[in-house]
Amino acid sequence: ILNVEQSPQSLHVQEGDSTNFTCSFPSSNFYALHWYRWETAKSPEALFVMTLNGDEKKKGRISATLNTKEGYSYLYIKGSQPEDSATYLCASPLYGNKLVFGAGTILRVKS
Amino acid sequence: DSGVTQTPKHLITATGQRVTLRCSPRSGDLSVYWYQQSLDQGLQFLIQYYNGEERAKGNILERFSAQQFPDLHSELNLSSLELGDSALYFCASSVGSGGAKNQYFGPGTRLLVL
Repeated sequence: ILNVEQSPQSLHVQEGDSTNFTCSFPSSNFYALHWYRWETAKSPEALFVMTLNGDEKKKGRISATLNTKEGYSYLYIKGSQPEDSATYLCASPLYGNKLVFGAGTILRVKS
Repeated sequence: DSGVTQTPKHLITATGQRVTLRCSPRSGDLSVYWYQQSLDQGLQFLIQYYNGEERAKGNILERFSAQQFPDLHSELNLSSLELGDSALYFCASSVGSGGAKNQYFGPGTRLLVL
């Protein structure tokens, strides 16, 4: 069964720390990799979509890299702030158009 | 605000009943996706419609059905409800139908089956 895995499951950091987490996906028949940010009581918000091996995307203090050959993507947050606290989801369209989501990494930033 | 609207926000009903969840996509988006988020599971893809036609199907139960209307809004019908159907149901929309398009999520409908 094809699946998308994320690690760690949760992360607690201090304000100002930089952090990163991992998304693993099947490298065969790769099409795209999505990152979403999901704050409590809100809906998932699209951060990035990446399609090419070696892709790097950046949005403010958040950036992501993609390695399609080995099947992983990293999400980095530089200088974490309390407002970065959220669940970060990655997803990849497996089985055609069906977006398969990982379980997410819960990030808590303490001030 | 993603521009995707969902109604109702909350729904409480009894086992055996039928409910309809409604979604209006962002202006200009032709694809609508439905997802289910249960307590013990991550976001699960249910079904996708593109410009009125079913495009992809996930683990959607036979008791569930969906459609997309000419004005592009979509409805998800859940029938013969069971306790296990209690979940947060999200609708998302995107411009195209491919898997490399950003999906914009609505606020969700929280369904509680008693």
